Amino acid sequence: AQSVTQLDSQVPVFEEAPVELRCNYSSSVSVYLFWYVQYPNQGLQLLLKYLSGSTLVKGINGFEAEFNKSQTSFHLRKPSVHISDTAEYFCAVSSSGSARQLTFGSGTQLTVLP
Amino acid sequence: DADVTQTPRNRITKTGKRIMLECSQTKGHDRMYWYRQDPGLGLRLIYYSFDVKDINKGEISDGYSVSRQAQAKFSLSLESAIPNQTALYFCATSDPSDSSYNEQFFGPGTRLTVL
Repeated sequence: AQSVTQLDSQVPVFEEAPVELRCNYSSSVSVYLFWYVQYPNQGLQLLLKYLSGSTLVKGINGFEAEFNKSQTSFHLRKPSVHISDTAEYFCAVSSSGSARQLTFGSGTQLTVLP
Repeated sequence: DADVTQTPRNRITKTGKRIMLECSQTKGHDRMYWYRQDPGLGLRLIYYSFDVKDINKGEISDGYSVSRQAQAKFSLSLESAIPNQTALYFCATSDPSDSSYNEQFFGPGTRLTVL
């Protein structure tokens, strides 16, 4: 079984400040990790993904995440946020099992304040 | 045009009514999924289909049924809606031949309210 924990349900941050959204996972097999973003009244879109190789993954809109196997974490970071980054962010894990189901975390609402 | 579309986008219904939510995709993907989103719970898988003849229950399938009418269409039905099925419902697709290991592509969602 696999699971994802997003430790912060809400993260308020001022514009141009850095932000880190935390994600921890558990799985008994190799994992593939994703961050999705949901803007208000929209569906989810992929921000970035880790499949293998370099543990630092760069995504769209200036976001990046680092895979840390020993800490079973995949935290999302951005050095300087904009008002337009206000959205809900979901971490998800897919295992190397046969079905490769995606399991989502409960989400983190990022609110960027002027 | 959107690759994954859902109809309706919003629906208000009464307890006991039968409701169908529809999903269509033009991505040519074999795999399709239905999720529900509730505040603080993230997305939970209701049903998924790997092809037209393959339907599987997800984490929370009770009270729901699905139909895969064609590769491009996957419908979710609530046979007798109840208030705790009020949620945001998402359809998603993925391509098993894609090396992205189940990257999924989401529709815009259907907001369902059961009174």
